[in-house]
Amino acid sequence: AQKVTQAQTEISVVEKEDVTLDCVYETRDTTYYLFWYKQPPSGELVFLIRRNSFDEQNEISGRYSWNFQKSTSSFNFTITASQVVDSAVYFCALSPFDRGSTLGRLYFGRGTQLTVWP
Amino acid sequence: KAGVTQTPRYLIKTRGQQVTLSCSPISGHRSVSWYQQTPGQGLQFLFEYFSETQRNKGNFPGRFSGRQFSNSRSEMNVSTLELGDSALYLCASKRAVGGDDEQYFGPGTRLTVT
Repeated sequence: AQKVTQAQTEISVVEKEDVTLDCVYETRDTTYYLFWYKQPPSGELVFLIRRNSFDEQNEISGRYSWNFQKSTSSFNFTITASQVVDSAVYFCALSPFDRGSTLGRLYFGRGTQLTVWP
Repeated sequence: KAGVTQTPRYLIKTRGQQVTLSCSPISGHRSVSWYQQTPGQGLQFLFEYFSETQRNKGNFPGRFSGRQFSNSRSEMNVSTLELGDSALYLCASKRAVGGDDEQYFGPGTRLTVT
C-alpha cells in the first residue's frame, strides 16, 4: 500500500523566514518516485520537483531545496527566505514504478497550507 | 507550449443529473489522468487513460466513467450526481504511462451539486 503523510496542516511564517514542509511516505515498492506540487488559490497544481528512489542527492533550485532520506522515508521541502507569493498549499506525492505495468497514479498527502505574512 | 486545458471551469448541477467534463492534454502527451479534490478526502485518483484505453482506475463507483479520444483529449462523465460529488476535478497529462514522468495539471473544473 502507498501512503503519504504531511503532518503539518498549516504553517504561518513571516516574510524572509525559512520554512520546512515535512513529508513522510510508506511504500513496499523498491522503485518509486516522489513529487512536490504547489497549489495556489487558483487551484492548478504546479509541478515543483520529481525524485526517484535511487537518487538521494539533495537538490537546490533557487530558494527551494529538497532533502530526500530513504532511511527515514522522508522527502522534506525547504523554502529559504520565504516570500508572500509562496503562500499556497503544498502537496507531496508518491508514484510507484513498475516497468511491467502502466501504473502512473499519484498518491497525495493531505497538503500543507503555507501562509507567508508580509 | 500550451498547458493542460479543462472545460468548463465552473459548473453547477442538480442532484440526479449527469455531467461531462473535458480535458485537453499538453501537445505530445498521450496519458491523461483524472483526480477529484475535496476538503474531506483530499486528492484522489479517478482513472488514467493512454491510447484510448483505461490503464488504471481508482476506488470510485461506476457512476464515474471516462474516455479518451484518438487525439488524446479526454472526457469524464459522472451520472446520477450526488451532493458528495461536489469537488474540484483535476486533469493531468504526461508523455507516457508509468510513474517516471511528471504529470502536469490543468486548472480544474469546479463542480457544485445542489
